[in-house]
Amino acid sequence: GENVEQHPSTLSVQEGDSAVIKCTYSDSASNYFPWYKQELGKRPQLIIDIRSNVGEKKDQRIAVTLNKTAKHFSLHITETQPEDSAVYFCAARDNFNKFYFGSGTKLNVKP
Amino acid sequence: SAVISQKPSRDICQRGTSLTIQCQVDSQVTMMFWYRQQPGQSLTLIATANQGSEATYESGFVIDKFPISRPNLTFSTLTVSNMSPEDSSIYLCSVAGTSSHNEQFFGPGTRLTVL
Repeated sequence: GENVEQHPSTLSVQEGDSAVIKCTYSDSASNYFPWYKQELGKRPQLIIDIRSNVGEKKDQRIAVTLNKTAKHFSLHITETQPEDSAVYFCAARDNFNKFYFGSGTKLNVKP
Repeated sequence: SAVISQKPSRDICQRGTSLTIQCQVDSQVTMMFWYRQQPGQSLTLIATANQGSEATYESGFVIDKFPISRPNLTFSTLTVSNMSPEDSSIYLCSVAGTSSHNEQFFGPGTRLTVL
């Protein structure tokens, strides 16, 4: 089955700086890669996603890149704000439409 | 996005008992999943709830321990059977479509504590 690895496990940045979280996947048939933000005590919320026929997608301060050849994808957050502090999960959907999650990155944005 | 509700939101149970968690969606969805999220951990897929047939379980999860029902396209239940403290976790249902344009969304979760 699919195996998704995520790094780093924790990330601390100064407000206004950029944050980058990286994920790799193992199944070349995976075709959809969402990113979720989970605040303490809440459900994961979809923040951005990318499909396998696209290399990059941007939505305001967040962007995701995908390298299918290398089987890795990354989340980029620019101009970080304290409210960006949360746990971020990457995921990959396999060709059976099942989603597999990375281990999570705890982002701390220091004011 | 679909509106997903779960009941109960939390429960404290005694070991050896069973708890059934309900997941209701406000629209018909193709795929429904059940996840477990242990404290400070990622989400682990338990099974895919299939409408009209048995659920499909991931490695490490079995039907006797986690029986699942899905009687229609808007509802599913997960039972945690013969509970032990190791089953203390948050259980989340999620829904998704199967086309390339269908994202996955999560219910609010059920926080289970087993004493």
